[in-house]
Amino acid sequence: DAGVIQSPRHEVTEMGQEVTLRCKPISGHDYLFWYRQTMMRGLELLIYFNNNVPIDDSGMPEDRFSAKMPNASFSTLKIQPSEPRDSAVYFCASSSGARKNYGYTFGSGTRLTVV
Amino acid sequence: GNSVTQMEGPVTLSEEAFLTINCTYTATGYPSLFWYVQYPGEGLQLLLKATKADDKGSNKGFEATYRKETTSFHLEKGSVQVSDSAVYFCALPDTGRRALTFGSGTRLQVQP
Repeated sequence: DAGVIQSPRHEVTEMGQEVTLRCKPISGHDYLFWYRQTMMRGLELLIYFNNNVPIDDSGMPEDRFSAKMPNASFSTLKIQPSEPRDSAVYFCASSSGARKNYGYTFGSGTRLTVV
Repeated sequence: GNSVTQMEGPVTLSEEAFLTINCTYTATGYPSLFWYVQYPGEGLQLLLKATKADDKGSNKGFEATYRKETTSFHLEKGSVQVSDSAVYFCALPDTGRRALTFGSGTRLQVQP
């Protein structure tokens, strides 16, 4: 298995532009998580899905952020419009609910810079 | 809700030194506890875990013991290597949902 695949690895965009981050979870994993990592706030859970259904989006900062999971093998996190304070590393992780050990597999992350 | 507190970093050690990174937790009941490691430019990887009180998790020479009396899960290694330089995160499940809450991370720098 290639692991959790995120794209792009790096994204630089101008304030006000739309940004879309992509994630392919590990095949067979039924949970998918989006986290944001910054120096000031550490790792924050934004949203997570179970069987493609959003379960908890209480960590999504505001309406500018949206996430979808149209099928078991793909998820997107969209920011529209982007702002400089959205600059961070965004991680996607997946896990199997059948295993109770919370063994997340993380992707390599997308480093977003909004200028 | 459940939370973890980690010692501030960075921790700078010489190769072959003994490592301790402190982690204390606040939780309802006795949830599983985890240590994750993040190498430069990569995502987090599960390092070890303990699923109940008094359990010891171990992997790659690292160990941590789940101590309910002191609500701690300190990470230890007897002899660190330069390749252990990374950021280490303590974690536990959120209250009432299937997601992990991570500590602030502790950066370890090992010098040759």
